[in-house]
Amino acid sequence: AQSVAQPEDQVNVAEGNPLTVKCTYSVSGNPYLFWYVQYPNRGLQFLLKYITGDNLVKGSYGFEAEFNKSQTSFHLKKPSALVSDSALYFCAVRDTNRDDKIIFGKGTRLHILP
Amino acid sequence: NAGVTQTPKFRVLKTGQSMTLLCAQDMNHEYMYWYRQDPGMGLRLIHYSVGEGTTAKGEVPDGYNVSRLKKQNFLLGLESAAPSQTSVYFCASSYGVREQYFGPGTRLTVT
Repeated sequence: AQSVAQPEDQVNVAEGNPLTVKCTYSVSGNPYLFWYVQYPNRGLQFLLKYITGDNLVKGSYGFEAEFNKSQTSFHLKKPSALVSDSALYFCAVRDTNRDDKIIFGKGTRLHILP
Repeated sequence: NAGVTQTPKFRVLKTGQSMTLLCAQDMNHEYMYWYRQDPGMGLRLIHYSVGEGTTAKGEVPDGYNVSRLKKQNFLLGLESAAPSQTSVYFCASSYGVREQYFGPGTRLTVT
């Protein structure tokens, strides 16, 4: 069965430092991978996706993610964190060999310290 | 272009009462989804639909029913609410298997 794991409940980063939010997945076929961000009392917003092609994908607000097939990972990164990046981040995966469900990780809360 | 809208935004129910949550999208998306979000649990898929007139069960479908009579609307029903259904409910839509667009959520409390 498809699954996605976000091993860190919370990540703390000083403003200006690079940040990484980790995500690993398990699928039987090829994955479609997504990152979403949620600000307080709001719905989720799409950040970026990997469908096929270049392993490094760039998204909104300066975020990027690297697809690593051998490690089944799709970590979210940003070179220089902003306080406004503080939010809840979700990784999600869709298995192209299975049905049309998309599975979300439990989320990682990112705190950017001024 | 309103995107995905949800009504109501807040609701308090007593145990055993029923209600319907309405989701509407104006992007002509085929796929629509209902999720619940609980602390520490992430988003869990309740039901989804890949087209008008079709629905399918997600991870946590028990206690909920859905209908997709029109392409732009996806209704989530609770026939007999239970305290365990206290949650924040999100609707989403997508163009096929691409990224999802989420509504603002409905905060439901069952006492």
